[in-house]
Amino acid sequence: QVQLVESGGGVVRPGRSLRLSCAASGFTFSSYAMHWVRQAPGKSLDWVALTSYDGSEKFYADSVKGRFAISRDNSKNTLYLQMSSLRRDDTAVYYCVRVDCTITNCLFDYWGQGTLVTVSS
Amino acid sequence: SYVLTQPPSVSVAPGQTARITCGGNNIGSKNVNWYQQKPGQAPVVVVSADSDRPSGIPERFSGSNSGNTATLTISRVEGGDEADYYCQVWDRGRDQYVFGSGTTVSVL
Repeated sequence: QVQLVESGGGVVRPGRSLRLSCAASGFTFSSYAMHWVRQAPGKSLDWVALTSYDGSEKFYADSVKGRFAISRDNSKNTLYLQMSSLRRDDTAVYYCVRVDCTITNCLFDYWGQGTLVTVSS
Repeated sequence: SYVLTQPPSVSVAPGQTARITCGGNNIGSKNVNWYQQKPGQAPVVVVSADSDRPSGIPERFSGSNSGNTATLTISRVEGGDEADYYCQVWDRGRDQYVFGSGTTVSVL
């Protein structure tokens, strides 16, 4: 069965950096685009970033562009999110998500359990 | 950017029908996916591509989409259906992945 397990969350001071990881199993990781989605406490879901199946294409939400970097290691079935210049409004649970796209639809079909990032002094 | 609007909350008695709307400009021209999220858990797909139901999701969950409104319908509501529900679309033109504001379903 598909499993996505995030790690690396924690408490970090504003302006500092943090790297999240997501270990994938149960499917052919190198065949899927992978995304990060976050959810601030009590708020809705907020798309953060995506990487194509081979890592050649990467896209970001405007709110994190220039500060966050998504990457993947298909030999290790692992997705990463390097977060820099963290701000208090980056505080959220960060989910690693497999997304299955057709010509007309992109479905966030499998989610990890999430890892909490708290930005606080 | 494309915006999806949901009512903050819907309350329904057990056994009755809950309808959750998702409003967006010409949303009927897009595929809408619906996710259920229970407290402390990750979201789970309950309806994809407007009206498809993944395996394991009860037939009580159904979806429709037309004009400026998509709707998730939960028939014969049970206490276990209490959760937050989010709609989502892929705005292909802008290559944006958009989630709705979320609706909390409460079973009276």
